[in-house]
Amino acid sequence: GNSVTQMEGPVTLSEEAFLTINCTYTATGYPSLFWYVQYPGEGLQLLLKATKADDKGSNKGFEATYRKETTSFHLEKGSVQVSDSAVYFCALSESPPGGNTPLVFGKGTRLSVIA
Amino acid sequence: GAGVSQSPRYKVAKRGQDVALRCDPISGHVSLFWYQQALGQGPEFLTYFQNEAQLDKSGLPSDRFFAERPEGSVSTLKIQRTQQEDSAVYLCASSLAQSNQPQHFGDGTRLSIL
Repeated sequence: GNSVTQMEGPVTLSEEAFLTINCTYTATGYPSLFWYVQYPGEGLQLLLKATKADDKGSNKGFEATYRKETTSFHLEKGSVQVSDSAVYFCALSESPPGGNTPLVFGKGTRLSVIA
Repeated sequence: GAGVSQSPRYKVAKRGQDVALRCDPISGHVSLFWYQQALGQGPEFLTYFQNEAQLDKSGLPSDRFFAERPEGSVSTLKIQRTQQEDSAVYLCASSLAQSNQPQHFGDGTRLSIL
């Protein structure tokens, strides 16, 4: 079956540090890949996505590239801010034509950024 | 426009009681998903609707869990004879029907079973 593995947290960084959160996946087909973010007390928000190999998703300074050869979708940001403190989830879904399928999530990585 | 709305935000129930959780999706979103998120874990799929049709309920953990979406809009997740292991955050998400469309999540209902 499909699965997502992401690095264990928590991750603690100083403001302006470089961030990498690793994510690898196992899928039977050609999934779409997502990063969702959950701020304290809030629901999941889509951060970025990529739907095919070599696509790069980007948003709010975050980037992730869909690497089919390594089955990875690592999240990166060049300079983190305190406001980036949250839990980050990597997820995948199969993408049949004309339909949607449930998301499969990793366990989440908690990021704390200190000033 | 409004996002996905879930109610109640918090629910406390005694073991053995029945509970009902409501999800109001984004207007026009055909697909609706329910997920269960245990503390410190990622969300896990429960069930999926396209309009009023429940297309996949393979994630429901037992026959005590039941979901419906009778008019293809609002959905209710019902848990009968609740048990302590049902304590979790229940998330609802909606999306357009086409493939690759992102799912938009509500803030969830935090259910605590005493």
